[in-house]
Amino acid sequence: DAGVIQSPRHEVTEMGQEVTLRCKPISGHNSLFWYRQTMMRGLELLIYFNNNVPIDDSGMPEDRFSAKMPNASFSTLKIQPSEPRDSAVYFCASSGDFNIQPQHFGDGTRLSIL
Amino acid sequence: AQSVTQLGSHVSVSEGALVLLRCNYSSSVPPYLFWYVQYPNQGLQLLLKYTTGATLVKGINGFEAEFKKSETSFHLTKPSAHMSDAAEYFCAVGDSGNTPLVFGKGTRLSVIA
Repeated sequence: DAGVIQSPRHEVTEMGQEVTLRCKPISGHNSLFWYRQTMMRGLELLIYFNNNVPIDDSGMPEDRFSAKMPNASFSTLKIQPSEPRDSAVYFCASSGDFNIQPQHFGDGTRLSIL
Repeated sequence: AQSVTQLGSHVSVSEGALVLLRCNYSSSVPPYLFWYVQYPNQGLQLLLKYTTGATLVKGINGFEAEFKKSETSFHLTKPSAHMSDAAEYFCAVGDSGNTPLVFGKGTRLSVIA
């Protein structure tokens, strides 16, 4: 079975540009999570969805960040406008249940904002 | 709310030596516990999980962990370290409440030849 698929794997863009990260969760999973990982802050939960509905976005750092899940097989994380401090690895994970099932992670998107 | 503490942000062992990575959790209800491994430039991969039943859980790559309720611990061990075990390891806890899994800050394992 295919795992969680993220695209792109790498993104380099200039400050001020819009960035869109994409995620396809594992089929049948009803929970989806977006994380950010940096050396300074470690792994941070940004937002999670249950049955395509955003449940908790308290981890989203600023209004420049937004996430959507229009259907069970696709989610996006958008940054507009981007800033150099947004540079990080962004992970998407999915799970059969948000609180007791293991999460399955994608390989991440390495984002560099110049 | 649940929480996880991983003691030691960096652990270094010699090849062939015992690996012990410590994890203590806090949960008001019976916990579900997980260990993940992250290799460079990859996402987190599930090593093993404890839900209910046997408290000694075996995972992939020769790792195992023991759930000790009295000590609120879920330490990860491997009898003999291999160079390929060098990675970052994360402990996570979940329960039947309304919050998702909580991850620890991670422990970087170095294996010295």
